[in-house]
This record gives sequence, structure tokens and C-alpha cells, in this order.
Amino acid sequence: DAKTTQPTSMDCAEGRAANLPCNHSTISGNEYVYWYRQIHSQGPQYIIHGLKNNETNEMASLIITEDRKSSTLILPHATLRDTAVYYCIAVNQAGTALIFGKGTTLSVSS
Amino acid sequence: SQTIHQWPATLVQPVGSPLSLECTVEGTSNPNLYWYRQAAGRGLQLLFYSVGIGQISSEVPQNLSASRPQDRQFILSSKKLLLSDSGFYLCAWSKFRRGSQDTQYFGPGTRLTVL
Repeated sequence: DAKTTQPTSMDCAEGRAANLPCNHSTISGNEYVYWYRQIHSQGPQYIIHGLKNNETNEMASLIITEDRKSSTLILPHATLRDTAVYYCIAVNQAGTALIFGKGTTLSVSS
Repeated sequence: SQTIHQWPATLVQPVGSPLSLECTVEGTSNPNLYWYRQAAGRGLQLLFYSVGIGQISSEVPQNLSASRPQDRQFILSSKKLLLSDSGFYLCAWSKFRRGSQDTQYFGPGTRLTVL
């Protein structure tokens, strides 16, 4: 699976949009971009995934660049409960092991 | 909807004692099941995965074992715990559907401390 690079930490004011970037310049054509988050002492929570097109669900939006070398997770109206470590990973369609890097620690403050 | 349960939530065990962690999934049939370990300050490590009853694949050789006695039940065991077995154990499930991505969903985890 391709390596991903994320900023170590980010801050966001409550109610504002949180835009979390991820670089995956070596991603292959059959690898999906996945986002999970982990709140302290809890299991990772699936957020969203995509291959080429932008995706939106009730939690977030995923914007993937046309060359697929980077993506951005958007939390449109961040709340204090969105404070967590966010992981961006590239997953082969046939893969089994998820490999989380260090992720981005997002701190939402009032 | 699907739900995944793990218990116990926390566990403190002495070195050399046995271990049994349980994971169950509700609301789906014939899921793929996974055991991961997350050591303090480190990433996820896949330990075992299973595509069906009695079918276990081991990713990392160690003193842990896994079993799947029922379709939606996955058990992680050890006969003698080591200090290095301490960590956050996560169970996950996925449902393979031909033509779509196999997304893994995690349980709440078990925090194991070996003293």
C-alpha cells in the first residue's frame, strides 16, 4: 500500500470547517483513499473513502485531486467531539491489513 | 445495522497468566474478522484475520492465537502472557461484496496491561 503523509497536528475553532490534508504521491490506480479517526482510548472510526471522485456522507467530504496524489478531508462544522487523531491511508482493493501512520491530531476548541 | 462488541473493556493480568478476549458482530453474516494490536504510541499491527468459521490466518508469529468457533465470534487467546503483550486490542469486521470495497469497521477495543 502507498505511503501517506499528514501534518502532525492542526487546530480548528468550533463551528468552522476543518480541512485535513493528506499526500499520497505514490498511490496506485487500484488503491482507495480511506479516512479513519480515533478518539482517545476508543477504537478507530471509519469516516469516508474514495477512489477518484469526490465523496460526501453525513460525517465529512473527501476531495481527491485529479492526479490522485493528494486529498483533503473536510469536516464542515467542527465540534469539540471531533477532536481526535485522523488517519489517511491508501488501501488496495484486495488488501487485508490496515496500516495506520501517525495521523493528524485535530484539536477543536471553543 | 451492524454492531461489534468486545469484552472486557480493560484487563490487568500478571505475566504468565492466560488470556481470552472475545469479539462478536451483530447484524451481518459471514463477515471477515480481524484482530489488531495497537501498542502505546505506535500504529496498528494486524495479528489475525478470518474469512470463515475455523479459518484463521496469522500475520505475526507470537504467543497469541485466535479462534472462530461461530460465524460472528472471534476469540484471541494466549496460554502465557508476556510483558510485551500489553496494548490496545482491536477487533474489526468487514463484508466482502464483489465489485465494491471491503471496508473494515472497528470495535471499542480492550486495553490489556500485563504486569
